[in-house]
Amino acid sequence: GIQVEQSPPDLILQEGANSTLRCNFSDSVNNLQWFHQNPWGQLINLFYIPSGTKQNGRLSATTVATERYSLLYISSSQTTDSGVYFCAVSGNTPLVFGKGTRLSVIA
Amino acid sequence: DGGITQSPKYLFRKEGQNVTLSCEQNLNHDAMYWYRQDPGQGLRLIYYSQIVNDFQKGDIAEGYSVSREKKESFPLTVTSAQKNPTAFYLCASSSLSKGTEAFFGQGTRLTVV
Repeated sequence: GIQVEQSPPDLILQEGANSTLRCNFSDSVNNLQWFHQNPWGQLINLFYIPSGTKQNGRLSATTVATERYSLLYISSSQTTDSGVYFCAVSGNTPLVFGKGTRLSVIA
Repeated sequence: DGGITQSPKYLFRKEGQNVTLSCEQNLNHDAMYWYRQDPGQGLRLIYYSQIVNDFQKGDIAEGYSVSREKKESFPLTVTSAQKNPTAFYLCASSSLSKGTEAFFGQGTRLTVV
């Protein structure tokens, strides 16, 4: 099945800094999603982005499907950005998740 | 309010007991999914269903059972055969006809005592 690798596993930032999270996947996909898991465990949809580039406020994402990777950019980070960021992909099967990037933003 | 509702939020179970976790959606989605998350880990697929009265095993189905009698509902039973049931359980749904973006409920945290 599809393998998903996320990097880095952990990231500590000073408030106001920018960051890039990476997601590599092993096969062609029809769906790629980025999620933020908040401290209460809820998964918040950030982007549905099987290809191309999208932006939503301070967050943006780019997926290069032909090279099998996606990037999530967080600019001007805030303490509320802390949590775990998951990338998940699917071909014709349910979503397969990476192990996540744990982000800690320090004031 | 549209969305996916999981209940209960917290559940405590004695060893040897079966428990059922509820998942209901009012998004008119065709497909529903159950995932398990262990501390510091990603999500792993337990079961999924793309149509009423049909479901498929995921990667870690042993010790779990599901039913899909209604489009809106996909309950998960954690049986006594599940060796290590303490975990966070997340239910999701997606529309097969409008793209495959999945949305998740708030989760149920199950603890075996």
